[in-house]
Amino acid sequence: EDQVTQSPEALRLQEGESSSLNCSYTVSGLRGLFWYRQDPGKGPEFLFTLYSAGEEKEKERLKATLTKKESFLHITAPKPEDSATYLCAVQGGTNAGKSTFGDGTTLTVKP
Amino acid sequence: DAGVIQSPRHEVTEMGQEVTLRCKPISGHDYLFWYRQTMMRGLELLIYFNNNVPIDDSGMPEDRFSAKMPNASFSTLKIQPSEPRDSAVYFCASSPGDRPDSPLHFGNGTRLTVT
Repeated sequence: EDQVTQSPEALRLQEGESSSLNCSYTVSGLRGLFWYRQDPGKGPEFLFTLYSAGEEKEKERLKATLTKKESFLHITAPKPEDSATYLCAVQGGTNAGKSTFGDGTTLTVKP
Repeated sequence: DAGVIQSPRHEVTEMGQEVTLRCKPISGHDYLFWYRQTMMRGLELLIYFNNNVPIDDSGMPEDRFSAKMPNASFSTLKIQPSEPRDSAVYFCASSPGDRPDSPLHFGNGTRLTVT
């Protein structure tokens, strides 16, 4: 059974204070690891897909990296508008089309 | 692109009543998913369809839950009878059919409260 564990549960940063969110996973044959952002009252919004260890993707102040056991979402010089819950999900080889989500990290960036 | 559209946004009902949630996926997307989100259990996959055919319904909690996709542009999730423990936010999501590991496009959910 695919499993995803995210840490920390909550993270409070000052504006400009860089940090990282962790996503540890166990999956049989990784097909893809996904990062989503969820704002209150909204559905998750897709950020990145990573397919193989060593892969990196960037978007504005966010950078996602992947190893064989975990993924990191690095946030550089965050702004208050980056405050949201960040969700990690995996799809395994035996469950094509079926994403398993972690519980998320709620990020708060104070001005 | 209007995105995934869900209705209603909020539903309050009494225990024992029937509840029907509706979803219109993004045009051209071949996969449709129903998820449920709670504080205790996070996001859980209930059921998903490929080309209108249910592929995996192992996440449906019990026989009180049923889902249909009569055509490529409409799906429903029905709970009958509803119970207070069904209170949650229900999300519909769709993804393109070019590959099964495409990212999901979520609607804004239906917040269900069963009293």
